[in-house]
Amino acid sequence: AQSVTQLDSHVSVSEGTPVLLRCNYSSSYSPSLFWYVQHPNKGLQLLLKYTSAATLVKGINGFEAEFKKSETSFHLTKPSAHMSDAAEYFCVVKTGGSYIPTFGRGTSLIVHP
Amino acid sequence: KAGVTQTPRYLIKTRGQQVTLSCSPISGHRSVSWYQQTPGQGLQFLFEYFSETQRNKGNFPGRFSGRQFSNSRSEMNVSTLELGDSALYLCASSLNTGQGNSPLHFGNGTRLTVT
Repeated sequence: AQSVTQLDSHVSVSEGTPVLLRCNYSSSYSPSLFWYVQHPNKGLQLLLKYTSAATLVKGINGFEAEFKKSETSFHLTKPSAHMSDAAEYFCVVKTGGSYIPTFGRGTSLIVHP
Repeated sequence: KAGVTQTPRYLIKTRGQQVTLSCSPISGHRSVSWYQQTPGQGLQFLFEYFSETQRNKGNFPGRFSGRQFSNSRSEMNVSTLELGDSALYLCASSLNTGQGNSPLHFGNGTRLTVT
């Protein structure tokens, strides 16, 4: 069984300040973890993925995430927020050979000028 | 490379009607999966096709069906539409190397409104 919990439904930051979006997962096997971003009326775009290689994963647009097995977490960070980062972010887990992804409920990132 | 293409972008239907949505995957991708996104339930898996075979199915009623063609294009059909079927329907394709770490590439979705 697998599940994913995004700990914040909304995160509000000022432009130029750091971003932290939190994700905890539960998985019976070694998970593959992903972060996606969704802008209004668009599909989901892959930001980064963890697949049991390096625990610190770098993605597009300056985002990165760290896989912490002991804490079952996969938090997404960015050093400096930009107005264009305002969007909905989804943490996703897939377990082993499962083809069925489980999505978090999403975190809405609000960026103030 | 062209991305995942979903048509149409918007649909308005009446209760009791049926609807067919189309998805063209990225060239070379053999796996196509479908998702329903609503404010109340979030993103939910509908089904997944690989080489014209349904490999997995989510917890949706039989009114929701799909198929995949030999060129990997996929369609999903919803019969006897209900108001609760109003949602954004997303299609995603992946290389599907046989492992769970293949990322999904999403289309922009079809917004279905049932009145």
